[in-house]
Amino acid sequence: DVKVTQSSRYLVKRTGEKVFLECVQDMDHENMFWYRQDPGLGLRLIYFSYDVKMKEKGDIPEGYSVSREKKERFSLILESASTNQTSMYLCASSSPDGASGNTIYFGEGSWLTVV
Amino acid sequence: GQNIDQPTEMTATEGAIVQINCTYQTSGFNGLFWYQQHAGEAPTFLSYNVLDGLEEKGRFSSFLSRSKGYSYLLLKELQMKDSASYLCVLPMDSSYKLIFGSGTRLLVRP
Repeated sequence: DVKVTQSSRYLVKRTGEKVFLECVQDMDHENMFWYRQDPGLGLRLIYFSYDVKMKEKGDIPEGYSVSREKKERFSLILESASTNQTSMYLCASSSPDGASGNTIYFGEGSWLTVV
Repeated sequence: GQNIDQPTEMTATEGAIVQINCTYQTSGFNGLFWYQQHAGEAPTFLSYNVLDGLEEKGRFSSFLSRSKGYSYLLLKELQMKDSASYLCVLPMDSSYKLIFGSGTRLLVRP
């Protein structure tokens, strides 16, 4: 079964703290993504990675960085958390598949509250 | 550029049939996905259409017309657990990125 695992389901952090959100996939997928989802705004892409040590900015990269040292692991880093980063964060992975396109599989989500 | 339109909310009755429409504009077509998302949970894959026509998968079917920039998701024999948001999703020209519609929130009533 396809599995994308996010290390933390619920987090509460203080403004200015450094926050790490970890994501691991066991499907040997090349592509990994970090999205955030906010009411009324839908899913917005923060960063994605198409290979180890490779990363590209998504639509809203400001205030975030990422790390992909191993193929199965993609980390999202908030260097200095702010209250406007309170959101649900979704990790995802995908791989080209002739039958189903680049079907993307999501982790369970991490609810981050910054106080 | 790419743009996706779908209704914000729909309501239907348990046991009925509901059709959720999606219209899109895209510079290059690479298929269209439908995802289901229950409140507070991650989206889960429902279907992928790359050719015109209807794809049936149990109670759920998805239709695509590339010439019209139109797709719909058909849910039959509605169950209470089908209450969720349904996302119409387009892959961008590259293989990496997806564009998500804002989703249609479906409420199934007894």
